Amino acid sequence: EDQVTQSPEALRLQEGESSSLNCSYTVSGLRGLFWYRQDPGKGPEFLFTLYSAGEEKEKERLKATLTKKESFLHITAPKPEDSATYLCAVIHSGNTPLVFGKGTRLSVIA
Amino acid sequence: DGGITQSPKYLFRKEGQNVTLSCEQNLNHDAMYWYRQDPGQGLRLIYYSQIVNDFQKGDIAEGYSVSREKKESFPLTVTSAQKNPTAFYLCASKQSGPADQETQYFGPGTRLLVL
Repeated sequence: EDQVTQSPEALRLQEGESSSLNCSYTVSGLRGLFWYRQDPGKGPEFLFTLYSAGEEKEKERLKATLTKKESFLHITAPKPEDSATYLCAVIHSGNTPLVFGKGTRLSVIA
Repeated sequence: DGGITQSPKYLFRKEGQNVTLSCEQNLNHDAMYWYRQDPGQGLRLIYYSQIVNDFQKGDIAEGYSVSREKKESFPLTVTSAQKNPTAFYLCASKQSGPADQETQYFGPGTRLLVL
């Protein structure tokens, strides 16, 4: 059974304090790994898709990386507006739905 | 503007009542999905449809029903058989095809509350 585990469940950072969120997965034939940002009471907003080990993508203060067993979302010098829940999801080979982790709730304090 | 719309934003259900949540997309996506989100539970798949007039049960389909009569619409009915319907409901869609088209996009959500 495909599984996605995100850690930590919650993370509290001071403004400017860089850190990383982890997404570990067990899936046969990974087709893609997705990162989303979700603000309270809103739908998830797409951030990145990673397809193969070694791939990296960046957007503003966020950088996503992928290995054969996990992905990291690195946040450099975060600001309070980066506070949100970050969701990771995977899809394996075949036309199957995404499997989501439970998310990491990030709070950035000014 | 292309996107996914969900209505209403808030919905109240009385005991024994069926209610229907609307989801419409103008992205010309083939596949559409319904998720339920509870605090601490993450997103759980209710139903999905990869093509018009066809749909499959997800992990928590009991007490829900769907239809897919048009490509752009995928309404979800929460029936009276769903005993704990209070949750945030999210609709999503994606194009079917190569891996680089697998990105799923979400609507703004509907919060369902029981009176």
